[in-house]
Amino acid sequence: DAMVIQNPRYQVTQFGKPVTLSCSQTLNHNVMYWYQQKSSQAPKLLFHYYDKDFNNEADTPDNFQSRRPNTSFCFLDIRSPGLGDAAMYLCATSPGGSSYEQYFGPGTRLTVT
Amino acid sequence: EDKVVQSPLSLVVHEGDTVTLNCSYEVTNFRSLLWYKQEKKAPTFLFMLTSSGIEKKSGRLSSILDKKELFSILNITATQTGDSAVYLCAGINNNDMRFGAGTRLTVKP
Repeated sequence: DAMVIQNPRYQVTQFGKPVTLSCSQTLNHNVMYWYQQKSSQAPKLLFHYYDKDFNNEADTPDNFQSRRPNTSFCFLDIRSPGLGDAAMYLCATSPGGSSYEQYFGPGTRLTVT
Repeated sequence: EDKVVQSPLSLVVHEGDTVTLNCSYEVTNFRSLLWYKQEKKAPTFLFMLTSSGIEKKSGRLSSILDKKELFSILNITATQTGDSAVYLCAGINNNDMRFGAGTRLTVKP
């Protein structure tokens, strides 16, 4: 089945220790998104790629970076995680063009100790 | 600044009740409004609404968009305990999507 896959599902890292979260998709969608969702809050868009074009939200901290080496994969790098970065990180994809609906992966729950 | 406001923030009903969830939006260059259901994990897509006044329906769920008044409603009829979730609406322009805070629906047996 076509899907959006996130690995790992749970990640524990230490304060200040770089961490990478991964997302892959078999939907062949043009657009990939990364969201941060904290408890009882709506998902907050961090950035997205339209094909290879990277679009950063204005309020996304510099601590968060992303890579999209090919259509299928997208990575979220947190260079120096702080305690406030503990959250669920959701990857989503969208066909692009006139199709705006987004399909979410199961998320990676990040704990910072 | 773009914003999406949902109401109520939480709602408790009994099985069989009908509920209406509200979503108002102010989104620059608005294109569509989307509704998602989020249980314990990632949001699952329900509806995308682009045209005003055209109801979209899926089983007991239906939704409609009013682009003049800038709001949408999500109706759930004959609610079941499995409908308990957070319902998120989001306004989209180009490729940016802004979520509302969600409505937490609890359906009691």
